[in-house]
Amino acid sequence: NAGVTQTPKFRVLKTGQSMTLLCAQDMNHEYMYWYRQDPGMGLRLIHYSVGEGTTAKGEVPDGYNVSRLKKQNFLLGLESAAPSQTSVYFCASNDNYEQYFGPGTRLTVT
Amino acid sequence: RKEVEQDPGPFNVPEGATVAFNCTYSNSASQSFFWYRQDCRKEPKLLMSVYSSGNEDGRFTAQLNRASQYISLLIRDSKLSDSATYLCVVSHAGNNRKLIWGLGTSLGVNP
Repeated sequence: NAGVTQTPKFRVLKTGQSMTLLCAQDMNHEYMYWYRQDPGMGLRLIHYSVGEGTTAKGEVPDGYNVSRLKKQNFLLGLESAAPSQTSVYFCASNDNYEQYFGPGTRLTVT
Repeated sequence: RKEVEQDPGPFNVPEGATVAFNCTYSNSASQSFFWYRQDCRKEPKLLMSVYSSGNEDGRFTAQLNRASQYISLLIRDSKLSDSATYLCVVSHAGNNRKLIWGLGTSLGVNP
């Protein structure tokens, strides 16, 4: 049981480049979430999904898109990266209220 | 004003000390309450859920006061390995399992 995995672990992008962060969970959870965590700001919800084929906006969705084509995967896309998107990105999943997190992706946009 | 507020600390205590953290929440519709732990540069992990009757897990005790809308975490006999950030988390009923996160309280336990 791998739990929640995220790829890549680290990435450096130039302004304007695009990338996709992949989250995978093997616990058959219905709910999945993407957060970003910045110093002094705490965890902020970007987008979430309540099941395969569904997505919804969270607290800070601008500049990001998501897709949940398969139940076990939740993709986060940055179409045109900006320095303000430099952050640590965490994916999480749950069925009840305990959320299980992936190890995070550290993204730097220069 | 954030919906979940915590004293950011840092709290620096010697090994063996007892330390308590408080957290307040503003939404009276909050129904589920948790403490998560986050080590430096790692993901958050559930430490314990908080029930109305209070609950204890070894050296850790969590309490909920609905009337005053606060949650507490008590750590007894602190260990070096308790050094981490402790996140207070609440959830509302019917909120798609979304959690509302405090900014965390930093704890350092010193030898």
